[in-house]
Amino acid sequence: ETVMTQSPAALSVSPGESATLSCRASQSVSSNLAWYQQKPGQAPRLLIYGASTRATGIPAKFNGSGSGTEFTLTISSLQSEDFAVYYCQQYNNWPRTFGQGTKVEI
Amino acid sequence: QLQLQESGPGLEKPSETLSLTCTVSGGSISRSSCYWGWIRQPPGKGLEWIGSIYYSGNSYYNPSLKSRASISGDTSKSQFSLQLSSVTAADTAVYYCVGQRQLQWYFDLWGRGTLVTVSS
Repeated sequence: ETVMTQSPAALSVSPGESATLSCRASQSVSSNLAWYQQKPGQAPRLLIYGASTRATGIPAKFNGSGSGTEFTLTISSLQSEDFAVYYCQQYNNWPRTFGQGTKVEI
Repeated sequence: QLQLQESGPGLEKPSETLSLTCTVSGGSISRSSCYWGWIRQPPGKGLEWIGSIYYSGNSYYNPSLKSRASISGDTSKSQFSLQLSSVTAADTAVYYCVGQRQLQWYFDLWGRGTLVTVSS
């Protein structure tokens, strides 16, 4: 199975700053990579698919990049509603797998 | 607008079969462009894809569940269901039903999730 490794596990950021989250795949997933945001007590929400395409209604402050085995999610000008856990997920290989998450905290 | 809602028992005994249902409102599961599936999340941990189906019968499962999982659909009720057999405490998790529009393999529709605890 394709192991997705996210780093760092937790990231402390001040409001207004930017955050850069990394996701590495144990084998190539091409551009078949999605990012999700999960707030406490809520279901995850799709942010990015195809490594860099924002899902419907997702603001331009969320930017995804990368291909193959290295991916990045950048969140600019963090506001209170952006503090959450972020997961990457590959959908190139079977079974579909998620990273363990990066918690973005104040 | 499609909405998903999980239902089912919140407590199961070890070795029993967990059964959950997802009701799809705002549309039918026989939409030709959607997969329907289940994802789970143990308390305080990450996400695990369980499996997905297409309404006509094609199904896909995570082999880590060693064939314990089965997903089926009822188009007349616009519902799909998960059965997970021989549960143990390791199956305690929040279970989310999900939809995958455009026959894609990222998950763009999510239910709110339901906690299932496996305990005697």
